Amino acid sequence: RKEVEQDPGPFNVPEGATVAFNCTYSNSASQSFFWYRQDCRKEPKLLMSVYSSGNEDGRFTAQLNRASQYISLLIRDSKLSDSATYLCVVNLGYQLTFGKGTKLSVIP
Amino acid sequence: DTGVSQNPRHKITKRGQNVTFRCDPISEHNRLYWYRQTLGQGPEFLTYFQNEAQLEKSRLLSDRFSAERPKGSFSTLEIQRTEQGDSAMYLCASSLDNHYNEQFFGPGTRLTVL
Repeated sequence: RKEVEQDPGPFNVPEGATVAFNCTYSNSASQSFFWYRQDCRKEPKLLMSVYSSGNEDGRFTAQLNRASQYISLLIRDSKLSDSATYLCVVNLGYQLTFGKGTKLSVIP
Repeated sequence: DTGVSQNPRHKITKRGQNVTFRCDPISEHNRLYWYRQTLGQGPEFLTYFQNEAQLEKSRLLSDRFSAERPKGSFSTLEIQRTEQGDSAMYLCASSLDNHYNEQFFGPGTRLTVL
């Protein structure tokens, strides 16, 4: 079983749509959780940290379920500029473990 | 620009040559990390420094790879006797010394081994 597994994608959605990404992780000792965004041929950029109580940042909402070892990201009112690959990331110790990412294309 | 910087941004080399990459972290960050990313995959952890001490190395870091952070500021990653399988994006990240470990990445060095 891979350490971090994500929806394979790609997700093609119209502008204004709501899209949800799901992720599971295998190591129950994982300490912190993140979503990163990566544009084509660019570095990953931290989108959100994910807290146990869930957290929201504008159109983005992240949820964590430690019992199920499940993380989600919801994007509301999708914009063309949201088109990117979204990486689910868990932290154990000092190293980050990344999923393969889910590619999102927002279509006009 | 106060973010993580890396150079060179691109490196093309012939198999068997040695290459060295540099990373300058965010100035107040005392943790520094190296990752490698190949097409279609997420970044994979290579190694980690706390100040000048290299505290963790991945199994991916073969004996042809060496990383240093001599004064606890910038870091270098050297690959000796490069192989075609070393072709990848090499990413550097830095973070503050806290338990949450939010890491910020540099633009990467794209290595192509011919």
